[in-house]
Amino acid sequence: QKEVEQDPGPLSVPEGAIVSLNCTYSNSAFQYFMWYRQYSRKGPELLMYTYSSGNKEDGRFTAQVDKSSKYISLFIRDSQPSDSATYLCAITTGRRALTFGSGTRLQVQP
Amino acid sequence: DGGITQSPKYLFRKEGQNVTLSCEQNLNHDAMYWYRQDPGQGLRLIYYSQIVNDFQKGDIAEGYSVSREKKESFPLTVTSAQKNPTAFYLCASSMPRGGGSGANVLTFGAGSRLTVL
Repeated sequence: QKEVEQDPGPLSVPEGAIVSLNCTYSNSAFQYFMWYRQYSRKGPELLMYTYSSGNKEDGRFTAQVDKSSKYISLFIRDSQPSDSATYLCAITTGRRALTFGSGTRLQVQP
Repeated sequence: DGGITQSPKYLFRKEGQNVTLSCEQNLNHDAMYWYRQDPGQGLRLIYYSQIVNDFQKGDIAEGYSVSREKKESFPLTVTSAQKNPTAFYLCASSMPRGGGSGANVLTFGAGSRLTVL
């Protein structure tokens, strides 16, 4: 079993839709959770960083962590064509290098 | 502007050849990392270094070697022993947080795509 599972997609939505991206993890020692966005042929860039259960909002993006279910989510409101990218969840205990999910490819249709 | 520079962006290699990928950072970060990305597999850690002259193997170190002679530089050599080297290679750096006070947030370079002919 992989430490972090992420649906690879692709996920295709119309412009303006609400997007939900999800990861599950197996190790309860994980306590830091991140979402990276990667455009085609580019390096990933940090989008959101949380360390506790609950929600964190930044503009159109909301990161949600449920430690009891070992489940994390990224919501994108009012999705735009410029949001088309691969979204990677990344998790760590804080003492190890990041463990990444396989990434979900998102396509927002204009 | 501070950042991470990877070169070359594209590289072609014949079977049996060693190649070296360059990674330079001017962020004054202590830690540097190399990841490999294959379609549908996310990022897998090859090697990482937390200080100069020290580095540790990641999950898939076989067939790779690194050096860390300077804080700013962390080159990766893909040797002929790497059986399937065609991939997208990403270098990253971070400023480690001591005492368990938080996670290492990574800053990535733009990547190097290696193709074996």
